[in-house]
Formats: sequence, C-alpha cells, structure tokens
Amino acid sequence: DAGVIQSPRHEVTEMGQEVTLRCKPISGHNSLFWYRQTMMRGLELLIYFNNNVPIDDSGMPEDRFSAKMPNASFSTLKIQPSEPRDSAVYFCASSSGDLTGRAKFGAGTRLSVL
Amino acid sequence: TQLLEQSPQFLSIQEGENLTVYCNSSSVFSSLQWYRQEPGEGPVLLVTVVTGGEVKKLKRLTFQFGDARKDSSLHITAAQPGDTGLYLCAGGISGSARQLTFGSGTQLTVLP
Repeated sequence: DAGVIQSPRHEVTEMGQEVTLRCKPISGHNSLFWYRQTMMRGLELLIYFNNNVPIDDSGMPEDRFSAKMPNASFSTLKIQPSEPRDSAVYFCASSSGDLTGRAKFGAGTRLSVL
Repeated sequence: TQLLEQSPQFLSIQEGENLTVYCNSSSVFSSLQWYRQEPGEGPVLLVTVVTGGEVKKLKRLTFQFGDARKDSSLHITAAQPGDTGLYLCAGGISGSARQLTFGSGTQLTVLP
C-alpha cells in the first residue's frame, strides 16, 4: 500500500498563474477528499467525491477553484488564476467510505503564491 | 456548521510528564476521531470513538468520548519526545456522507 500520493510536494508560483495539484487515492477507496490547511483557519474541507462523483463542493472558496476526478485512481484540484491568499498546504485524503470515515491522508502539497 | 474547539492551542512539557488535550463542541457527533500530524506530513488517524462514554487506550494514550458525544479528551501518560506533533480531533455526522469537521488543533512539544 503506497498510500495516498500527491504531487507536487511543493509549488511556488506567481499571482495569476494556473496551479494544478494532483492526487492518486489508495486503490479500492471510493471516497476522496481535498482539504486546505492554514495557520489561521486550520484544516478545511474543500470538496469530496464518492465513486468519482462530486458530492459536496460547498467548501470550495470561489470559482477560481475547480476539482475533477476522471477515474477512481486520479483527481486534480485546479486554481486559476491563483492569488497570494491561496497559499496553504493542500491535502488529499481517501477512504473506503465506512461510517467511521477512516480516511488516509497524503503528505500534502505546499503552495506558495507570490 | 459544527465547530470543534481544542484546548490548549499550544502545550510544551518535559519528558515524563502527563498531559490532557480537550476537544469540545456544542454539537453532537456520531463519531470522534483523533489524528496526529507531524511537520511536512498529513494527519494520521490514531483512534475513532463512536459510543458515548467510550474509552480507548493506545499504549500511553487514553481517549475518551463524552457521554453526550459532544466532547472528547486525549490523555498522554509519561510523554516522550516522539509524541511531539499537532493533535487534531475530528467529528463525524452519521448520514452526512462521511464528512469530518476538524478542530483547530493542539501543538504539543515534549522536551527531552
């Protein structure tokens, strides 16, 4: 079990640029979550998918953020255009969807928008 | 919106001391999870409690779910430097399609 794999681990970009974060969930997990972590707001759920379908995207901050899950083994979170306030650590997590939500987190992508 | 407040926010203690971290909410949760996060890594699940009053032990860590399922505590006995990290509680709601609400976290530092 390689765990949840995220790429890149670090991303530094300039304001206005497009940023794409990638996630490969654990094989067999049918739920995938994107979280954002900052000092000020802690860990916030942005969006989650169940069986590749977006179930709740109410945590997505604004239209500049979009997420896709084209198949069970891949998801992307895109920010276009990026802004300095988007700087944070973005985590992807996956779970088998049981009632206790035993989600496994990736190592995260640290995004810095200059 | 269900909010989880953790206290203390920061805790620095000497190796060998005991400590307790609290997680409180005005909402009822169907389950409560505790995670530990180390620098540069994602949170790692330590335990899940689902029954009011439930107590679970994981070596030197003792987790308790409040009787009303609104609060939880984590007690560490004889803390070690390896216990250093950010401890997060997360509440789950049955039927909410497995969403979790995370607390603000307690940053624990155990000094040798």
